[in-house]
Amino acid sequence: DAKTTQPTSMDCAEGRAANLPCNHSTISGNEYVYWYRQIHSQGPQYIIHGLKNNETNEMASLIITEDRKSSTLILPHATLRDTAVYYCIVQKGNYGQNFVFGPGTRLSVLP
Amino acid sequence: DAEITQSPRHKITETGRQVTLACHQTWNHNNMFWYRQDLGHGLRLIHYSYGVQDTNKGEVSDGYSVSRSNTEDLPLTLESAASSQTSVYFCASGNLDEQFFGPGTRLTVL
Repeated sequence: DAKTTQPTSMDCAEGRAANLPCNHSTISGNEYVYWYRQIHSQGPQYIIHGLKNNETNEMASLIITEDRKSSTLILPHATLRDTAVYYCIVQKGNYGQNFVFGPGTRLSVLP
Repeated sequence: DAEITQSPRHKITETGRQVTLACHQTWNHNNMFWYRQDLGHGLRLIHYSYGVQDTNKGEVSDGYSVSRSNTEDLPLTLESAASSQTSVYFCASGNLDEQFFGPGTRLTVL
């Protein structure tokens, strides 16, 4: 599975958009980009995933570059409750979902 | 509502004891997973199962075992607990698109 690179930490002002980048330069054609987050001491929570098209749901938007070597998770109006560690995972879209969680990005939403 | 639960939520045990952590899901998912999370590390996969009677080793499976006798449960057993197994343990179940995580079990081995 392709490895990912994320910044260690980021800050964002409450009410502003939070843009979390992820590099996955060795991604292969059948690998999806998944985003999860983990709020302090809770289990991780699924946010969104995509293959090559941009995706949007009620939580966030996922922008994947045309060459698929990087992506950005966008939280359009960050709130204090969005403070969490965000994990970008690249995984084949197969039955197993054997995810590899890296260290992620610690997002702090500031009042 | 469907859910995934773990028990106990907190456990203190002694070195050398056998410990079993329970995981129960009502999503009817075939896939179930056990992870551990330590300070300074992300989640690391211990064991996983794709269905009844199926079990597979993950990245850090030494000292752990699982069994899958039904769809709902995947208990994790520490055969002889060691201090290095002090950690927070998360169980998850999933479909093709996402995994749903339990609340975690904090295990301390003294």
